[in-house]
Amino acid sequence: GDQVEQSPSALSLHEGTDSALRCNFTTTMRSVQWFRQNSRGSLISLFYLASGTKENGRLKSAFDSKERRYSTLHIRDAQLEDSGTYFCAAANYGNEKITFGAGTKLTIKP
Amino acid sequence: GPKVLQIPSHQIIDMGQMVTLNCDPVSNHLYFYWYKQILGQQMEFLVNFYNGKVMEKSKLFKDQFSVERPDGSYFTLKIQPTALEDSAVYFCASSPGTGYNQAPLFGEGTRLSVL
Repeated sequence: GDQVEQSPSALSLHEGTDSALRCNFTTTMRSVQWFRQNSRGSLISLFYLASGTKENGRLKSAFDSKERRYSTLHIRDAQLEDSGTYFCAAANYGNEKITFGAGTKLTIKP
Repeated sequence: GPKVLQIPSHQIIDMGQMVTLNCDPVSNHLYFYWYKQILGQQMEFLVNFYNGKVMEKSKLFKDQFSVERPDGSYFTLKIQPTALEDSAVYFCASSPGTGYNQAPLFGEGTRLSVL
């Protein structure tokens, strides 16, 4: 079945540094969404992309528009409140199944 | 903006009982989903539903599970009977589907505790 491979599984950074998360898809995907799951378990939608790139403050995401086989999430100038688990979720063509990556646990240290 | 509502946020039941998890999806969405997340772990796909039918279900969607959306009301996940390993947070989602550049929306989840 469709697989979403997310990396890294965990990341520990100091405040002010930059990071990049990535999701690779074993098949061509129609769209991708990035979430941060907070300590209460709520999924906060960061970006939804059907192609190209989107930027919001210190966050930027890209979805490979040619082969549609990977997506990235860049965090610039990391802050303590960026800590959490980040998930990508991709929708396939056809039956619109949405598959999640395994998540990246991000810890920002002072 | 539109939201997917899941009620209640926490449900506690005894093993062997039946439970129905309720999801109120966005009114004009066409695709509906259930996911299972054990604490601190991955979001696991259970099932997606379109036009009154199950589109695809995973191996986690056991025979004891069923979904329906009678008369366009709540999208429900029923587990009968429940087992201890069913304890998890269950997330519902709805999506307008292809042709609409709109993100699927996820509910806040229902924490199910099977004792």
